[in-house]
Amino acid sequence: AQSVTQPDIHITVSEGASLELRCNYSYGATPYLFWYVQSPGQGLQLLLKYFSGDTLVQGIKGFEAEFKRSQSSFNLRKPSVHWSDAAEYFCAVAPSGSARQLTFGSGTQLTVLP
Amino acid sequence: EAGVVQSPRYKIIEKKQPVAFWCNPISGHNTLYWYLQNLGQGPELLIRYENEEAVDDSQLPKDRFSAERLKGVDSTLKIQPAELGDSAVYLCASSPPGVAPFFGPGTRLTVL
Repeated sequence: AQSVTQPDIHITVSEGASLELRCNYSYGATPYLFWYVQSPGQGLQLLLKYFSGDTLVQGIKGFEAEFKRSQSSFNLRKPSVHWSDAAEYFCAVAPSGSARQLTFGSGTQLTVLP
Repeated sequence: EAGVVQSPRYKIIEKKQPVAFWCNPISGHNTLYWYLQNLGQGPELLIRYENEEAVDDSQLPKDRFSAERLKGVDSTLKIQPAELGDSAVYLCASSPPGVAPFFGPGTRLTVL
């Protein structure tokens, strides 16, 4: 069965600092990978996704993620964090060919200090 | 384009009472999902519809939960009777074929 681990429950960064959120997955083949963001009281919004090809994917709001097969990781990065990035971030995995069968990690809460 | 609409946004009930949540997906999206999100956790799939057909309901507790998607558009999720442990956020999502889900804002249920 597929699974996702987000090792960091809570991360605090200063505004303007760089950010990296970790995601590790367990799956027999190369899966589809996703990052979603959830602001308080809101639903989840898709930031970016990886299906195949270039292992560095660009998303919305200045985020990017890198797929590393050897490490079974799909870490999310942003070079300069803005206060509005404070939210909860979820990594998700799905079987290749089926973006509808998502399994989510438990999330990382991001706090941004002024 | 309107997003996924859910109502109510908040619901407080006493245990053993019934409760229902409604979802209107994005127009043209054939796939509809109901997810459960407990505090501090990621969403967990309860049921997935392809048009009117429930194609994945393996995680739906069928003794107290039921769902329907009449005419392949709107959907209702019901709990009867509710238990204290059902307090959570219930998320509806929809998608066209081959695309990751678009989520609604959720219904926060509190069972007293």
